[in-house]
Amino acid sequence: GDSVTQMEGPVTLSEEAFLTINCTYTATGYPSLFWYVQYPGEGLQLLLKATKADDKGSNKGFEATYRKETTSFHLEKGSVQVSDSAVYFCAPSQTGANNLFFGTGTRLTVIP
Amino acid sequence: DTGVSQDPRHKITKRGQNVTFRCDPISEHNRLYWYRQTLGQGPEFLTYFQNEAQLEKSRLLSDRFSAERPKGSFSTLEIQRTEQGDSAMYLCASSLRAGGSTRTDTQYFGPGTRLTVL
Repeated sequence: GDSVTQMEGPVTLSEEAFLTINCTYTATGYPSLFWYVQYPGEGLQLLLKATKADDKGSNKGFEATYRKETTSFHLEKGSVQVSDSAVYFCAPSQTGANNLFFGTGTRLTVIP
Repeated sequence: DTGVSQDPRHKITKRGQNVTFRCDPISEHNRLYWYRQTLGQGPEFLTYFQNEAQLEKSRLLSDRFSAERPKGSFSTLEIQRTEQGDSAMYLCASSLRAGGSTRTDTQYFGPGTRLTVL
C-alpha cells in the first residue's frame, strides 16, 4: 500500500545552517506531494506543494522538488532561522483518492 | 474568511460519554476532511465530504464514529461511548475541488480539537 518515510528527528541546527529533511514515498499511482508545517501550539499549515514530476515547490525560502524516478520530495532551506523551529510533515496524496497520508513528522529546533 | 475553524478547541470527557465536534470550513470550499492525530504521529485520514455527500471513510472510522455535513457547509464528528484510545487531536481540513481537475486539492487545516478521555 501507499506509505511515506520521513527523516527521523529531532533535528537541531544552528541559525543560518543548511537544512535537508528527507522524504520518500511509495505509491502505485502519481500522487501530488505536499509539505506541511506545525508551529508550536498551532495547526497544520501548508508550506509548499508539487503536482507533477520535476515541479519545484517553494515558499518562505524552503524548496522541494518532485523526483518521480527516486519517489522523493526532500525539503531544503539554505539558511534556517530560529522562527523555523517546528514539526515538518511530508504528505503525498493517497493513490486513487483525495486524502493525504502523512509521515511521522520531523521536529526541527534552530538555536541562535 | 479567516480559515477553517473548529469548536471546541479542547474537550475532556469520561469514558463512555458521547462527544461531538464541529468544523466550519473556508466558505467557498466544497470538500471537507476529518483527520486524527495522536501524540508524536502524523495525521491519519478518517473521512471526507464533497458538499453534503460523504464519499470516503477510512477503516479507522469505527461504528462509534459518525460524521455529517447536512447542508454542505459545516460538519460534525460524533464519537459515541468514548474510549481512552480515542484521545487525540481531531483535525478538520477543507479544499476547493475545481470541476475537471484530476489532481489532489490543496487542503487547509483548522486548529484542531484536542480530546482527552479519562
